[in-house]
Amino acid sequence: GDSVTQMEGPVTLSEEAFLTINCTYTATGYPSLFWYVQYPGEGLQLLLKATKADDKGSNKGFEATYRKETTSFHLEKGSVQVSDSAVYFCALNRDDKIIFGKGTRLHILP
Amino acid sequence: NAGVTQTPKFQVLKTGQSMTLQCAQDMNHEYMSWYRQDPGMGLRLIHYSVGAGITDQGEVPNGYNVSRSTTEDFPLRLLSAAPSQTSVYFCASSPIQSQAYGYTFGSGTRLTVV
Repeated sequence: GDSVTQMEGPVTLSEEAFLTINCTYTATGYPSLFWYVQYPGEGLQLLLKATKADDKGSNKGFEATYRKETTSFHLEKGSVQVSDSAVYFCALNRDDKIIFGKGTRLHILP
Repeated sequence: NAGVTQTPKFQVLKTGQSMTLQCAQDMNHEYMSWYRQDPGMGLRLIHYSVGAGITDQGEVPNGYNVSRSTTEDFPLRLLSAAPSQTSVYFCASSPIQSQAYGYTFGSGTRLTVV
């Protein structure tokens, strides 16, 4: 069945470092892909999305490109801030259901 | 605009007790769903609904019931709570074409069953 695999955390970086969180998926057809972010004590918020191959989603300095050939949707940010500390979830949409990866916890040190 | 509202935020139950987790949205979204979040497991779909009067099971439905009598409300019922149901529960909604919009999530209910 459809699934999402993302790198295990926690990921710890210093402020202003470059961030990559890997995400790959298994699905038939062409699902939409999402990154959600969860700050401590809160629900998930949609960070960015891409609905077809080669689309690039972007928001708040984060970017991810829908790569059909490698079935990937890696999250990147050029310079992270302490306020980016959170749990990040990669997800895909199939038949009006969203399937989530297990999440990657990100710690940014000042 | 309140979005998705979940109540209560915290709850402690004894094994065998029943309770209802409430979820309401004011965005006229057709689609609503319940997820549980457990450490190392990500989010798992419990039940979902594509409109009033229509519900269906997700990945982990056992021990939970739902109903959808109105567009706005989608309560989740635990008929006889078990310690395995200790978790954080999230309600989410979207326009039916969720591929384009993604979900709007509530802030969660943290449930402990002792």
